Amino acid sequence: GDSVTQMEGPVTLSEEAFLTINCTYTATGYPSLFWYVQYPGEGLQLLLKATKADDKGSNKGFEATYRKETTSFHLEKGSVQVSDSAVYFCALSDQGAQKLVFGQGTRLTINP
Amino acid sequence: GAGVSQSPRYKVAKRGQDVALRCDPISGHVSLFWYQQALGQGPEFLTYFQNEAQLDKSGLPSDRFFAERPEGSVSTLKIQRTQQEDSAVYLCASSLGRQGASSPLHFGNGTRLTVT
Repeated sequence: GDSVTQMEGPVTLSEEAFLTINCTYTATGYPSLFWYVQYPGEGLQLLLKATKADDKGSNKGFEATYRKETTSFHLEKGSVQVSDSAVYFCALSDQGAQKLVFGQGTRLTINP
Repeated sequence: GAGVSQSPRYKVAKRGQDVALRCDPISGHVSLFWYQQALGQGPEFLTYFQNEAQLDKSGLPSDRFFAERPEGSVSTLKIQRTQQEDSAVYLCASSLGRQGASSPLHFGNGTRLTVT
């Protein structure tokens, strides 16, 4: 079945550091790919998405490119801020399916 | 408020008790989802409604789990004869469109269920 694998956390960085959170997926069809973020005390929020190969999703300085050849959707940000501290979830929705399949989440802490 | 509202925020149940978890989606949202999130894990799909119709319940772990959305708005997830392995955060999400996950999903803050 469909699955998503994220890099192990937690990840701790200093402010203004470069961030990469790895995400790879397994799917039978042509999925849409998502990054969701959960800030402390808040519900999950959509951060960005890409619906087909080579698409780049971007939002709030974060980017991720849908790489079909490597089945990956790595999340990157050039300069992180303390306010980026949160749990990040990679997810997919297979073609024609309604539900999301999530990775296990990566907790990110940014120190000033 | 304008967001997805879930109640109660926390629920403690003794093993064997029945519980009911409520979700108030954003007004007008057609699609509604329930997910179960164990500690340190990502959310796992339970069930999906489009208006009042339950179109997918493939993720419900056993026949002790039951969900309904009788008027196409508020939804209730019921767990009968709770077991310790049911302890988790139960998340509700809604979206405006019929495209399921392709429409932006709005998540509630969840109900944390602890079975003792």
